[in-house]
Amino acid sequence: SQTIHQWPATLVQPVGSPLSLECTVEGTSNPNLYWYRQAAGRGLQLLFYSVGIGQISSEVPQNLSASRPQDRQFILSSKKLLLSDSGFYLCAWSDAFGTGRNQPQHFGDGTRLSIL
Amino acid sequence: RKEVEQDPGPFNVPEGATVAFNCTYSNSASQSFFWYRQDCRKEPKLLMSVYSSGNEDGRFTAQLNRASQYISLLIRDSKLSDSATYLCVVSDRGSTLGRLYFGRGTQLTVWP
Repeated sequence: SQTIHQWPATLVQPVGSPLSLECTVEGTSNPNLYWYRQAAGRGLQLLFYSVGIGQISSEVPQNLSASRPQDRQFILSSKKLLLSDSGFYLCAWSDAFGTGRNQPQHFGDGTRLSIL
Repeated sequence: RKEVEQDPGPFNVPEGATVAFNCTYSNSASQSFFWYRQDCRKEPKLLMSVYSSGNEDGRFTAQLNRASQYISLLIRDSKLSDSATYLCVVSDRGSTLGRLYFGRGTQLTVWP
């Protein structure tokens, strides 16, 4: 069965510090991968998505970046964090599109990031 | 205009009650529909897919009305453990990306 691992679970960082969040998926090949952010009391905001190694698409311009160095590894980074980067960061995967239907996405446990 | 709109609630119901959530979507070309459940401070989890003919999974029934661009979720015989936020989710046009649009969620509290 497929599993998704995301770490760390909780992170407290000062403003201006760098960030690296990692996500790995097991039990599937060539998944679509996604990074979301959920601010307190808000909906899910798609940040980045990837349909293959080295392929990254950004949904919103900001000081975050993403990379996919391996098929089942997705990394979210920042060189300098802002106060507004606080939130709940979620990695998700889905099977590639098929049979005319989008596949559901499955989420990792999330990282709760607080910027001080 | 938002892609997916839901009544945020909160809905507060007693155990055993029947409760229904509604959701509307703006893209008439959407092809895939889901309901997710999110517990407080946890990740969203897939509750059920929604099919054109409507589908049922135990106490949960999902309906889709393409003409009105409307999705519903009915929960019968509510349990305390049903307390959560329910997210309505709609796909885009079915590109290879699999882009999904999440509503902001409807909060449900079931009380004893």
